[in-house]
Amino acid sequence: EAGVAQSPRYKIIEKRQSVAFWCNPISGHATLYWYQQILGQGPKLLIQFQNNGVVDDSQLPKDRFSAERLKGVDSTLKIQPAKLEDSAVYLCASSFIGQYYGYTFGSGTRLTVV
Amino acid sequence: LAKTTQPISMDSYEGQEVNITCSHNNIATNDYITWYQQFPSQGPRFIIQGYKTKVTNEVASLFIPADRKSSTLSLPRVSLSDTAVYYCLVGDSQTGANNLFFGTGTRLTVIP
Repeated sequence: EAGVAQSPRYKIIEKRQSVAFWCNPISGHATLYWYQQILGQGPKLLIQFQNNGVVDDSQLPKDRFSAERLKGVDSTLKIQPAKLEDSAVYLCASSFIGQYYGYTFGSGTRLTVV
Repeated sequence: LAKTTQPISMDSYEGQEVNITCSHNNIATNDYITWYQQFPSQGPRFIIQGYKTKVTNEVASLFIPADRKSSTLSLPRVSLSDTAVYYCLVGDSQTGANNLFFGTGTRLTVIP
């Protein structure tokens, strides 16, 4: 079974630039999550999708972060403009509808903002 | 939201049994306890989940006392490859509520 695919693996940008991350969940997983993990901390949920609809985006900094999942499969997370404090690993996870634990995570995109 | 408290770090020698305890004093009736493992440069990986008493799988055992205010993840005979961060989560597995929130975890270092 293919896992959750994320790209790019690493990204370095200057502050105030924009950046986008891509996630392809496991086939058949209707629920998709984006997490932000700052060094030394646990992952923090940013947004949860079910199919192409947003379930929870209460912790997404909407002034600079946006996410979409237009066809209910792939998803893109964007930051514009980036700040130094956005340096983190951005993790994508997916699960079946009604599966409330054991989500499958991707390996993440490590973002460095300089 | 049931807050969890874990030790920040633990060291163990290879071949020993490791027990990591998580405190969750405000656990609700419908809450389950879930543990994840995270290696460097990877996303978290599900290890085990339980509601009460004892659960065992091929990787670990989970011990939950009757009052459910704490739980202990037990890793038998650890090897160097078990060096990782271990997260305890408490959430409602019937609705998904609070199952998405990670704490700071316990960094386990296995020493040769």
